[in-house]
Amino acid sequence: DQQVKQNSPSLSVQEGRISILNCDYTNSMFDYFLWYKKYPAEGPTFLISISSIKDKNEDGRFTVFLNKSAKHLSLHIVPSQPGDSAVYFCAASYTNAGKSTFGDGTTLTVKP
Amino acid sequence: DAGVIQSPRHEVTEMGQEVTLRCKPISGHNSLFWYRQTMMRGLELLIYFNNNVPIDDSGMPEDRFSAKMPNASFSTLKIQPSEPRDSAVYFCASSGPLGNQPQHFGDGTRLSIL
Repeated sequence: DQQVKQNSPSLSVQEGRISILNCDYTNSMFDYFLWYKKYPAEGPTFLISISSIKDKNEDGRFTVFLNKSAKHLSLHIVPSQPGDSAVYFCAASYTNAGKSTFGDGTTLTVKP
Repeated sequence: DAGVIQSPRHEVTEMGQEVTLRCKPISGHNSLFWYRQTMMRGLELLIYFNNNVPIDDSGMPEDRFSAKMPNASFSTLKIQPSEPRDSAVYFCASSGPLGNQPQHFGDGTRLSIL
């Protein structure tokens, strides 16, 4: 049973436009959510996170939105840049436990 | 900050051989994680340690896989005997002890079992 799902394997957007990556989870006990970005031949790197007590967190061009009732979060990138082309992983965790559960990732391609 | 260091970066070996993957976590991090990434199963957690003690090994696929963390600065993941279906990219990551602390990943070991 996959507890964190990223239903879109890939997304393609034009440079300068908004990219929206989506993530759904099934376990309502998760209370912390993270997004990671991964380039080829490298490990994932942390991008942005959000606690379940918030519904939005912003860091520059990146904003994460959390809808707890729908068990859904999304990552918005505005404006998208070609350097944002990567695989994006959504992860969910419990604050008091170390491990995270990852989605399968969404490959974002930003076209110049 | 040297980051999480994994070795080797690439490993090609024949079925039945023993494979040992190595990881040096970031100094001061007391949680360490081993992941496997495949096309079919995405990024799956194999095992994680806290303060050198295995906390959750429910993701270890079978007895052929074993992991150790003899001290705070070193961990190994061993596969014996290896099989072609073990071919994947294996990542090591480290973090602080809580779930709201981001994990720092190494660049992975690409393992090919022929």
